[in-house]
Amino acid sequence: SAVISQKPSRDICQRGTSLTIQCQVDSQVTMMFWYRQQPGQSLTLIATANQGSEATYESGFVIDKFPISRPNLTFSTLTVSNMSPEDSSIYLCSVKQGMNTEAFFGQGTRLTVV
Amino acid sequence: SQQGEEDPQALSIQEGENATMNCSYKTSINNLQWYRQNSGRGLVHLILIRSNEREKHSGRLRVTLDTSKKSSSLLITASRAADTASYFCATANFGNEKLTFGTGTRLTIIP
Repeated sequence: SAVISQKPSRDICQRGTSLTIQCQVDSQVTMMFWYRQQPGQSLTLIATANQGSEATYESGFVIDKFPISRPNLTFSTLTVSNMSPEDSSIYLCSVKQGMNTEAFFGQGTRLTVV
Repeated sequence: SQQGEEDPQALSIQEGENATMNCSYKTSINNLQWYRQNSGRGLVHLILIRSNEREKHSGRLRVTLDTSKKSSSLLITASRAADTASYFCATANFGNEKLTFGTGTRLTIIP
């Protein structure tokens, strides 16, 4: 399984600011995804990070609010822009190395917006 | 939106007993995966079962899949205090590698 390093592990941010979360994998992976887990809830997919092109967003998520980069096969960033308290969640990076295979997750970033 | 439901939502058992969690989903799937999450941290992958499989084992874990009923179960045998966590099922559809998560089961093992 891939080793996934996600930074920061947690942060407390002021409303109106932005936070960039990094996801680094120790090996090349085919697919990378970003999920959100709101307090006490399950996980919801934000977007698929595409290498060298724009991310593919799920319904309810837009690029202006959650810009994503994926410059290569081992690294991706998610930015949470113009934050409000409703953005307080755990954000998780996930990777897959092939079709119909396991998806592995980073340790998550616990974001609190005040 | 969630693909499926898990039940029970919460489960408390004595250490040493077996714990069973169920997951139901709505559409045809390529595979179903189970995860554990401790105290709001990252997800630990437990087991993947593909649509052409009916049962898989890994240590104290046993997973079944019934595609006709669109349901899966996770059995943890001889539970330990360290098994206390939230457990999630997640499904992947054919031709789509994105995961859709169930609502989760909060498992508490009482020492």
